[in-house]
Amino acid sequence: GAGVSQSPRYKVAKRGQDVALRCDPISGHVSLFWYQQALGQGPEFLTYFQNEAQLDKSGLPSDRFFAERPEGSVSTLKIQRTQQEDSAVYLCASTSERLNTGELFFGEGSRLTVL
Amino acid sequence: GDSVTQMEGPVTLSEEAFLTINCTYTATGYPSLFWYVQYPGEGLQLLLKATKADDKGSNKGFEATYRKETTSFHLEKGSVQVSDSAVYFCALNTGNQFYFGTGTSLTVIP
Repeated sequence: GAGVSQSPRYKVAKRGQDVALRCDPISGHVSLFWYQQALGQGPEFLTYFQNEAQLDKSGLPSDRFFAERPEGSVSTLKIQRTQQEDSAVYLCASTSERLNTGELFFGEGSRLTVL
Repeated sequence: GDSVTQMEGPVTLSEEAFLTINCTYTATGYPSLFWYVQYPGEGLQLLLKATKADDKGSNKGFEATYRKETTSFHLEKGSVQVSDSAVYFCALNTGNQFYFGTGTSLTVIP
């Protein structure tokens, strides 16, 4: 596609519900990142894929967070048993650079509100 | 660990004023440095970058110089416009990960 596409743009969940956030990167981009952006803060790294391989998941805040990219293109970030502190904008970014030295292309984000 | 520290906002300037947003970094090795911008209602987009010491990145009238001796990458623009109102993020790339600053909100008033 023309850019990184994320859905849903807005999600309201009740505490304890599971949510799934989707990212469709730019076609052909090898690397895909997920970030969490709290209000008034910069993006915080969650996890990174190179093709279908999850090379770094050190930023995932708990085992309730899970990400996958089974065919090396679309990725899903899943949050189980959501908590209020999970409320944030979840950003997806992709790049064609294997070594991640180039530009990141961001989606518009999925804003999650947990009540 | 690797990190970026940028000037706290918000910043409010009159049109045609001079802009500086400070950014300093801590990193091992030789990172690449970036400024990203987020306009209202839009995703983050690259504004400019510099990949080695003494490089100057520039775009849309904005400039930033990679200063290894002061570990800085300050963003400057000589004459801001209302359309520059946005949140600006300094970032570094160590080759394994991107690290972002907390963002500086800029509002330019006519």
